[in-house]
Amino acid sequence: NAGVMQNPRHLVRRRGQEARLRCSPMKGHSHVYWYRQLPEEGLKFMVYLQKENIIDESGMPKERFSAEFPKEGPSILRIQQVVRGDSAAYFCASSTVGAGTGNTEAFFGQGTRLTVV
Amino acid sequence: TQLLKQSPQFLSIQEGENLTVYCNSSSVFSSLQWYRQEPGEGPVLLVTVVTGGEVKKLKRLTFQFGDARKDSSLHITAAQPGDTGLYLCAGGTGANNLFFGTGTRLTVIP
Repeated sequence: NAGVMQNPRHLVRRRGQEARLRCSPMKGHSHVYWYRQLPEEGLKFMVYLQKENIIDESGMPKERFSAEFPKEGPSILRIQQVVRGDSAAYFCASSTVGAGTGNTEAFFGQGTRLTVV
Repeated sequence: TQLLKQSPQFLSIQEGENLTVYCNSSSVFSSLQWYRQEPGEGPVLLVTVVTGGEVKKLKRLTFQFGDARKDSSLHITAAQPGDTGLYLCAGGTGANNLFFGTGTRLTVIP
Protein backbone atom coordinates (compact mmCIF):
# COMPACT_ATOMS: atom_id res chain seq x y z
CA ASN A 1 0.00 0.00 0.00
CA ALA A 2 1.76 3.11 -1.19
CA GLY A 3 1.89 6.03 1.20
CA VAL A 4 0.63 9.52 0.58
CA MET A 5 2.21 10.76 -2.62
CA GLN A 6 2.86 14.42 -3.24
CA ASN A 7 4.26 15.87 -6.39
CA PRO A 8 6.26 17.59 -7.36
CA ARG A 9 8.72 17.44 -4.43
CA HIS A 10 10.21 20.75 -5.48
CA LEU A 11 8.55 23.48 -7.50
CA VAL A 12 10.04 26.77 -8.64
CA ARG A 13 7.74 29.46 -9.95
CA ARG A 14 8.27 33.06 -10.97
CA ARG A 15 6.13 35.73 -9.37
CA GLY A 16 2.74 35.87 -11.05
CA GLN A 17 2.72 32.26 -12.25
CA GLU A 18 0.42 29.53 -11.04
CA ALA A 19 1.47 26.65 -8.79
CA ARG A 20 -0.42 23.35 -8.76
CA LEU A 21 0.43 20.94 -5.98
CA ARG A 22 -0.88 17.38 -6.13
CA CYS A 23 -1.63 14.93 -3.37
CA SER A 24 -2.67 11.32 -3.87
CA PRO A 25 -3.99 9.96 -0.58
CA MET A 26 -3.41 6.45 0.63
CA LYS A 27 -5.70 3.84 -0.84
CA GLY A 28 -9.03 3.85 0.93
CA HIS A 29 -8.55 7.29 2.47
CA SER A 30 -11.28 9.81 1.76
CA HIS A 31 -10.13 12.63 4.05
CA VAL A 32 -7.37 15.01 2.99
CA TYR A 33 -5.73 17.87 4.88
CA TRP A 34 -3.38 20.52 3.49
CA TYR A 35 -0.85 22.34 5.67
CA ARG A 36 1.80 24.94 5.09
CA GLN A 37 5.12 24.99 6.92
CA LEU A 38 7.83 27.61 7.14
CA PRO A 39 11.37 26.60 8.27
CA GLU A 40 11.60 25.74 11.98
CA GLU A 41 7.87 26.26 12.47
CA GLY A 42 4.83 24.08 13.00
CA LEU A 43 2.24 23.15 10.40
CA LYS A 44 -0.36 25.78 9.68
CA PHE A 45 -3.75 24.36 8.73
CA MET A 46 -5.07 25.42 5.35
CA VAL A 47 -7.97 23.23 4.24
CA TYR A 48 -9.72 19.95 5.06
CA LEU A 49 -11.51 18.07 2.31
CA GLN A 50 -13.53 14.93 2.02
CA LYS A 51 -14.17 13.47 -1.40
CA GLU A 52 -15.69 16.22 -3.59
CA ASN A 53 -16.42 18.41 -0.56
CA ILE A 54 -14.56 21.15 1.28
CA ILE A 55 -15.21 20.59 4.97
CA ASP A 56 -13.16 23.44 6.44
CA GLU A 57 -11.21 26.05 4.51
CA SER A 58 -10.79 28.49 7.37
CA GLY A 59 -7.01 28.45 6.97
CA MET A 60 -6.98 29.30 3.30
CA PRO A 61 -6.25 32.85 2.16
CA LYS A 62 -9.39 34.30 0.60
CA GLU A 63 -7.67 35.16 -2.65
CA ARG A 64 -5.43 33.22 -5.04
CA PHE A 65 -5.69 29.90 -3.15
CA SER A 66 -8.09 27.07 -3.93
CA ALA A 67 -8.29 23.36 -3.27
CA GLU A 68 -10.24 20.45 -4.63
CA PHE A 69 -10.53 16.72 -4.07
CA PRO A 70 -12.43 15.27 -7.02
CA LYS A 71 -14.19 11.94 -7.08
CA GLU A 72 -11.40 10.57 -9.23
CA GLY A 73 -7.79 11.67 -9.08
CA PRO A 74 -5.57 13.48 -6.62
CA SER A 75 -6.35 16.44 -4.42
CA ILE A 76 -5.03 19.68 -5.91
CA LEU A 77 -3.90 22.80 -4.07
CA ARG A 78 -3.77 25.66 -6.54
CA ILE A 79 -2.05 28.97 -5.96
CA GLN A 80 -2.62 31.62 -8.58
CA GLN A 81 -0.34 34.59 -9.21
CA VAL A 82 2.25 33.42 -6.71
CA VAL A 83 4.21 35.92 -4.64
CA ARG A 84 7.49 35.49 -2.76
CA GLY A 85 5.59 35.08 0.51
CA ASP A 86 4.03 31.87 -0.82
CA SER A 87 7.42 30.15 -0.64
CA ALA A 88 7.08 27.34 1.89
CA ALA A 89 6.72 23.59 2.25
CA TYR A 90 3.18 22.37 1.64
CA PHE A 91 2.19 19.07 3.19
CA CYS A 92 -0.89 17.00 2.69
CA ALA A 93 -2.15 14.24 4.94
CA SER A 94 -4.85 11.65 4.48
CA SER A 95 -6.90 9.47 6.79
CA THR A 96 -9.70 6.93 6.57
CA VAL A 97 -12.04 8.88 8.81
CA GLY A 98 -11.52 12.35 10.24
CA ALA A 99 -8.13 12.36 11.95
CA GLY A 100 -9.39 14.72 14.62
CA THR A 101 -11.50 11.97 16.13
CA GLY A 102 -8.44 10.28 17.54
CA ASN A 103 -9.64 7.00 16.13
CA THR A 104 -7.15 7.09 13.30
CA GLU A 105 -3.92 8.78 12.39
CA ALA A 106 -3.14 11.18 9.62
CA PHE A 107 -0.50 9.91 7.22
CA PHE A 108 1.64 12.59 5.65
CA GLY A 109 3.30 12.93 2.29
CA GLN A 110 6.85 14.18 1.93
CA GLY A 111 5.70 17.64 1.01
CA THR A 112 6.15 20.01 -1.91
CA ARG A 113 8.71 22.73 -1.45
CA LEU A 114 7.57 25.77 -3.37
CA THR A 115 10.08 28.48 -4.16
CA VAL A 116 8.89 31.68 -5.75
CA VAL A 117 11.61 33.68 -7.47
CA THR B 1 -8.49 28.26 14.01
CA GLN B 2 -7.43 26.76 17.32
CA LEU B 3 -4.01 27.86 18.57
CA LEU B 4 -1.69 25.29 20.13
CA LYS B 5 1.42 26.81 21.61
CA GLN B 6 4.41 24.58 22.29
CA SER B 7 7.27 25.33 24.62
CA PRO B 8 10.12 25.51 24.43
CA GLN B 9 10.49 26.35 20.75
CA PHE B 10 14.08 25.12 20.70
CA LEU B 11 15.80 22.71 23.06
CA SER B 12 19.38 21.51 23.00
CA ILE B 13 20.47 18.94 25.57
CA GLN B 14 23.21 16.43 26.24
CA GLU B 15 22.71 12.73 25.64
CA GLY B 16 21.31 11.04 28.74
CA GLU B 17 19.41 14.05 30.04
CA ASN B 18 15.65 14.17 30.56
CA LEU B 19 13.35 16.73 29.00
CA THR B 20 9.72 17.78 28.83
CA VAL B 21 7.92 19.53 25.99
CA TYR B 22 4.62 21.30 26.59
CA CYS B 23 1.62 21.88 24.36
CA ASN B 24 -0.96 24.39 25.60
CA SER B 25 -4.21 25.79 24.30
CA SER B 26 -7.31 27.60 25.48
CA SER B 27 -9.44 25.24 23.40
CA VAL B 28 -10.73 21.82 24.35
CA PHE B 29 -9.80 19.00 22.00
CA SER B 30 -11.41 15.65 21.38
CA SER B 31 -7.99 14.09 20.91
CA LEU B 32 -4.36 15.08 21.12
CA GLN B 33 -1.69 13.60 18.92
CA TRP B 34 2.08 13.92 18.96
CA TYR B 35 4.13 13.72 15.77
CA ARG B 36 7.82 13.78 15.04
CA GLN B 37 9.22 15.25 11.85
CA GLU B 38 12.64 14.67 10.30
CA PRO B 39 14.20 17.20 7.90
CA GLY B 40 12.76 16.87 4.41
CA GLU B 41 10.03 14.49 5.50
CA GLY B 42 6.42 14.68 6.61
CA PRO B 43 5.46 14.23 10.26
CA VAL B 44 5.01 10.72 11.62
CA LEU B 45 2.55 9.90 14.39
CA LEU B 46 4.00 8.91 17.77
CA VAL B 47 0.88 8.63 19.93
CA THR B 48 -2.77 9.60 20.29
CA VAL B 49 -4.47 10.39 23.60
CA VAL B 50 -8.22 10.89 23.85
CA THR B 51 -9.17 10.85 27.54
CA GLY B 52 -8.53 13.70 29.97
CA GLY B 53 -5.72 12.72 32.34
CA GLU B 54 -4.60 9.87 30.09
CA VAL B 55 -0.95 8.85 30.23
CA LYS B 56 0.72 6.75 27.55
CA LYS B 57 4.25 5.41 27.47
CA LEU B 58 6.24 4.55 24.41
CA LYS B 59 9.62 3.18 25.53
CA ARG B 60 11.43 6.28 26.88
CA LEU B 61 8.64 8.68 25.88
CA THR B 62 5.75 9.50 28.21
CA PHE B 63 2.74 11.43 26.95
CA GLN B 64 0.08 13.03 29.10
CA PHE B 65 -3.25 14.63 28.18
CA GLY B 66 -4.42 17.30 30.60
CA ASP B 67 -7.53 16.68 32.68
CA ALA B 68 -9.41 19.45 30.87
CA ARG B 69 -8.22 18.20 27.46
CA LYS B 70 -6.63 21.57 26.67
CA ASP B 71 -2.97 20.72 27.08
CA SER B 72 -0.47 17.91 26.84
CA SER B 73 3.13 17.12 27.65
CA LEU B 74 5.80 14.88 26.22
CA HIS B 75 8.56 13.68 28.53
CA ILE B 76 11.67 11.95 27.21
CA THR B 77 13.91 10.04 29.61
CA ALA B 78 17.61 9.59 28.92
CA ALA B 79 17.53 11.34 25.56
CA GLN B 80 19.54 9.89 22.72
CA PRO B 81 20.87 11.51 19.53
CA GLY B 82 18.25 9.55 17.59
CA ASP B 83 15.56 11.56 19.38
CA THR B 84 16.65 14.69 17.54
CA GLY B 85 13.85 16.16 15.46
CA LEU B 86 10.87 18.49 15.35
CA TYR B 87 8.11 17.46 17.76
CA LEU B 88 4.60 18.59 16.94
CA CYS B 89 1.43 18.28 18.94
CA ALA B 90 -1.89 18.27 17.10
CA GLY B 91 -5.37 18.77 18.51
CA GLY B 92 -8.40 17.07 17.04
CA THR B 93 -11.75 18.80 16.97
CA GLY B 94 -15.28 17.45 17.02
CA ALA B 95 -15.49 18.39 13.36
CA ASN B 96 -12.71 15.89 12.67
CA ASN B 97 -10.20 18.59 11.86
CA LEU B 98 -6.60 18.46 13.08
CA PHE B 99 -4.67 21.58 14.12
CA PHE B 100 -0.95 21.55 14.78
CA GLY B 101 1.14 23.26 17.40
CA THR B 102 4.01 25.65 16.86
CA GLY B 103 6.60 22.88 17.18
CA THR B 104 9.63 22.12 19.39
CA ARG B 105 12.98 21.57 17.74
CA LEU B 106 14.97 19.11 19.85
CA THR B 107 18.70 18.54 19.42
CA VAL B 108 20.41 15.84 21.47
CA ILE B 109 24.17 16.24 21.57
CA PRO B 110 26.24 13.05 21.82
